[in-house]
Amino acid sequence: SQQGEEDPQALSIQEGENATMNCSYKTSINNLQWYRQNSGRGLVHLILIRSNEREKHSGRLRVTLDTSKKSSSLLITASRAADTASYFCATDLVKLVFGKGTKLTVNP
Amino acid sequence: DTGVSQDPRHKITKRGQNVTFRCDPISEHNRLYWYRQTLGQGPEFLTYFQNEAQLEKSRLLSDRFSAERPKGSFSTLEIQRTEQGDSAMYLCASREGLAGTGELFFGEGSRLTVL
Repeated sequence: SQQGEEDPQALSIQEGENATMNCSYKTSINNLQWYRQNSGRGLVHLILIRSNEREKHSGRLRVTLDTSKKSSSLLITASRAADTASYFCATDLVKLVFGKGTKLTVNP
Repeated sequence: DTGVSQDPRHKITKRGQNVTFRCDPISEHNRLYWYRQTLGQGPEFLTYFQNEAQLEKSRLLSDRFSAERPKGSFSTLEIQRTEQGDSAMYLCASREGLAGTGELFFGEGSRLTVL
């Protein structure tokens, strides 16, 4: 069964706006990772945040982690049409367990 | 290109036939993972190897599924007596390190359609 649950399931925004996706999980973790998947393609790693970290940045991406609430969020700032994809969080404890994903559509 | 490669990319088969997928991980990666993904869902863990040892198998992996990683290099995933419910994208991923943490590198997947 999938542990991470992303919210919302789908998100549609205009180019230039920010996109926020949330992830909740159930058990303890070594780290939490976010991946992106374009339609029909494999997954691409975006960012990893360790269990002892609270916030991490990478370019236009900002990830937060709250282990007390077992939740994480991914913020994409100044979105572009090319950001259109599905985004998955994955909890890492020996193996990665993925959520169902958030489908992001960025309209030009 | 030294990424994870999967073959074939697409496979159409009739119910009851056997199919085999191959994954070539990044050469220095000792951990290899198989996932299955159906439309609109996230990847579901099937099994993983550390070198040639298969360390964990999901309950999703019925007796009709078998995976191998001889010599700790490439891996194969075989599905015997395919059923329509086996139609999915089969994803392979690898990562380095005995600790088994860190990012996964995914292949482009093998899409199976069972008629």
